[in-house]
Amino acid sequence: GAVVSQHPSRVICKSGTSVKIECRSLDFQATTMFWYRQFPKQSLMLMATSNEGSKATYEQGVEKDKFLINHASLTLSTLTVTSAHPEDSSFYICSASHSGQALGWAGNTIYFGEGSWLTVV
Amino acid sequence: DQQVKQNSPSLSVQEGRISILNCDYTNSMFDYFLWYKKYPAEGPTFLISISSIKDKNEDGRFTVFLNKSAKHLSLHIVPSQPGDSAVYFCAAKGGSEKLVFGKGTKLTVNP
Repeated sequence: GAVVSQHPSRVICKSGTSVKIECRSLDFQATTMFWYRQFPKQSLMLMATSNEGSKATYEQGVEKDKFLINHASLTLSTLTVTSAHPEDSSFYICSASHSGQALGWAGNTIYFGEGSWLTVV
Repeated sequence: DQQVKQNSPSLSVQEGRISILNCDYTNSMFDYFLWYKKYPAEGPTFLISISSIKDKNEDGRFTVFLNKSAKHLSLHIVPSQPGDSAVYFCAAKGGSEKLVFGKGTKLTVNP
């Protein structure tokens, strides 16, 4: 079963409104979560690193005032797209690292959510 | 400038044959490389990874080869099965757990 859950899986909103996407780690605590965006036929692009209890770290070119990230607990990070526009329509996906697992990093401790399709009309 | 490149957007192979997916990178500081499989409207699922200090890692039908001098890695799937049909992403990690992804290669395995 999924160890990282995203909600909603699909959302349609009107231009100018805000929409919130949740990312939850199930059965483990994640001090760090990552938010990615994928446009059609493009790679997943990292938007920001979400740190529990502190401000998110945004990648170059990502507007922090437009994409608000809140990591209020060790199992929940939210991404709010404010004043959404049609060009924000995309597939948004989060990941979390289950750092409590076996010693040695092998990549199999990073889990991705199911993703959220945002359509702004 | 893309640091991780998958130059083949698609690949089609016959069931039972070998699928070879390629990936090139530019940043010599990457310390881990990963392959993910992704179905439409779903999140990527981890397949296999390789540390930059190794040149091969094998897990069942999946083998990843790393050529550091050429900054190239490849994923071999053998034998290929129809259920392997998906988009495969190559990703790289350097230092932190932020991942840099390629654009993906859509693999179609024909029965």
